Amino acid sequence: EVQLVESGGGLVQPGGSLRLSCAASGFTVSKNYMSWVRQAPGKGLEWVSVIYSDGSSYYADSVKGRFTISRDKSKNTLYLQMNSLRAEDTAVYFCARLYCSSTSCYRYFDFWGQGTLVTVSS
Amino acid sequence: QSALTQPASVSGSPGQSITISCTGTSSDVGGYNYVSWYQQHPGKAPKLMIYDVSNRPSGVSNRFSGSKSGNTASLTISGLQAEDEADYYCTSYTSSSTWVFGGGTKLTVL
Repeated sequence: EVQLVESGGGLVQPGGSLRLSCAASGFTVSKNYMSWVRQAPGKGLEWVSVIYSDGSSYYADSVKGRFTISRDKSKNTLYLQMNSLRAEDTAVYFCARLYCSSTSCYRYFDFWGQGTLVTVSS
Repeated sequence: QSALTQPASVSGSPGQSITISCTGTSSDVGGYNYVSWYQQHPGKAPKLMIYDVSNRPSGVSNRFSGSKSGNTASLTISGLQAEDEADYYCTSYTSSSTWVFGGGTKLTVL
């Protein structure tokens, strides 16, 4: 069974850092595309970042240069390192899978975690 | 990376059909058949309802269907049921190798 469990959220001051984790089970993180999507309180979904199976990564303009996506093969875990945090980064952060078969990788989010809340406030 | 445009809200009575539009540009919706739709109930994670414009994942009711014309994609829900009341989001892959979401549509079943 595919499962994604996020952790690492919490309260952090503006300018601070936080690292989110997304532990996966039922599939191999490094063989799929993985993404982070966030949702500010009462607002819509916002795509944040993706890491492809070849290790390349892309970011939304709003987080470029401040956030870094990565993965650990041995732990089958996805990460999001967030630096220089701002109040507008306050949101629930979801990790999501974009499935790759043996022949193709797909451009939709088929499994999501339950999310972890990040609050940036002094 | 401007958000895709969705109506803020739509409503319908049980048994009726509704359609939610999702308008982008030739760099996202119009340029790829990679539009997907998600349903989100309050406090829950989003759930995939439609992928690649018009395909339904296993387990999703055939009352949900998707289409696209030019830069606008659409989600249609037929035979509305109370359990369909939720927020719906479209998303598209873009020419920048990124994704962009719509602002979301709140569906109310009257």
